[in-house]
Amino acid sequence: QKEVEQNSGPLSVPEGAIASLNCTYSDRVSQSFFWYRQYSGKSPELIMSIYSNGDKEDGRFTAQLNKASQYVSLLIRDSQPSDSATYLCAGSNQAGTALIFGKGTTLSVSS
Amino acid sequence: GAGVSQSPSNKVTEKGKDVELRCDPISGHTALYWYRQRLGQGLEFLIYFQGNSAPDKSGLPSDRFSAERTGESVSTLTIQRTQQEDSAVYLCASSLVESSTDTQYFGPGTRLTVL
Repeated sequence: QKEVEQNSGPLSVPEGAIASLNCTYSDRVSQSFFWYRQYSGKSPELIMSIYSNGDKEDGRFTAQLNKASQYVSLLIRDSQPSDSATYLCAGSNQAGTALIFGKGTTLSVSS
Repeated sequence: GAGVSQSPSNKVTEKGKDVELRCDPISGHTALYWYRQRLGQGLEFLIYFQGNSAPDKSGLPSDRFSAERTGESVSTLTIQRTQQEDSAVYLCASSLVESSTDTQYFGPGTRLTVL
């Protein structure tokens, strides 16, 4: 199993819909997780961090962590065309010296 | 204050030449990270600095790659005898706390093209 896995997409949703982005991780990843958004040709910017089991909400974004299933997700409510980007899931390595990234899921929101 | 800055933003070089990439972290951030992103791929970890020390260099792909950090500030990533497979965007990130469990803030990256 790869350390952090994401479906590359593209995930296409209409404007106003809920976009659901998923990520699974291996035992080599510790339980601090981050979702970054990356626009084409730009650097990653942090959307959400989550450390504890359960849900964490910030505006239109909700991150969910299920440690038993080794699963992290990001829900984007009321999706907007400006949300169209690649979403990178990352977890800290066990030593706390690096983030391990998935390959990213491309989201396309159509107006 | 200012975010993470990197220079140059673009670098085109010929195979076999050496290149130096520079990163200025956010002021006061003690942890600094270098990552590489090949086209269409996720980020690959290269090296982690805690102050001026590099306790984790495990991601450096070969001995052609090296990095240093001085004054707990600026870092330079050097690639010697560049190869075409080195072509990628090199991203630098910094964080306040010396642990990757803390939020990392990324610079704009240096796009390296090796001809």
